[in-house]
Amino acid sequence: GESVGLHLPTLSVQEGDNSIINCAYSNSASDYFIWYKQESGKGPQFIIDIRSNMDKRQGQRVTVLLNKTVKHLSLQIAATQPGDSAVYFCAENGGGGNKLTFGTGTQLKVEL
Amino acid sequence: DAGVIQSPRHEVTEMGQEVTLRCKPISGHNSLFWYRQTMMRGLELLIYFNNNVPIDDSGMPEDRFSAKMPNASFSTLKIQPSEPRDSAVYFCASSPFGVGNEQFFGPGTRLTVL
Repeated sequence: GESVGLHLPTLSVQEGDNSIINCAYSNSASDYFIWYKQESGKGPQFIIDIRSNMDKRQGQRVTVLLNKTVKHLSLQIAATQPGDSAVYFCAENGGGGNKLTFGTGTQLKVEL
Repeated sequence: DAGVIQSPRHEVTEMGQEVTLRCKPISGHNSLFWYRQTMMRGLELLIYFNNNVPIDDSGMPEDRFSAKMPNASFSTLKIQPSEPRDSAVYFCASSPFGVGNEQFFGPGTRLTVL
């Protein structure tokens, strides 16, 4: 039979607009979360992380928001640039150790 | 800083052959992770080591897969015998040991089994 790959959600934005990528995590015991960016042909690259004692953390052009009540994580990218086009993964640590569980990813496409 | 080093970057082999993937973690990092990425299943953790000791190998798909970490600066992932369904990109990542430390990924090895 024909194989079917993962259907990655896709977010298309215009250059210069803000992007918001969402992630629902599964383990209420998770206390550490990371966003990774993966460009085509490369390994995932760290963007920003947040611990469960915070609900917001800002980096350069990126902000991560954590809502533990509904187990939701979001990544906001300000003034999106063509170089931001990639697949973005959220990851959680499951509440212990340094093992991470990754989400399926969101494809971000930046249109000129 | 060289980052995580993986070799080879690309490997094409025939079904039934043995495949060995290699990883050199970042110096000073004492946790090492092997992942597999496919279109079908996304990014999956296969096994990870802390201080050269395998901690969790529950993601290793079957006995054909084995991983070793003989010292702090080297790890191998071996597939014997290889099958076409093993075709994927295999990533190695390392991190300092401890809760909540980011993992640094290597460039990956793209494996094709014919």
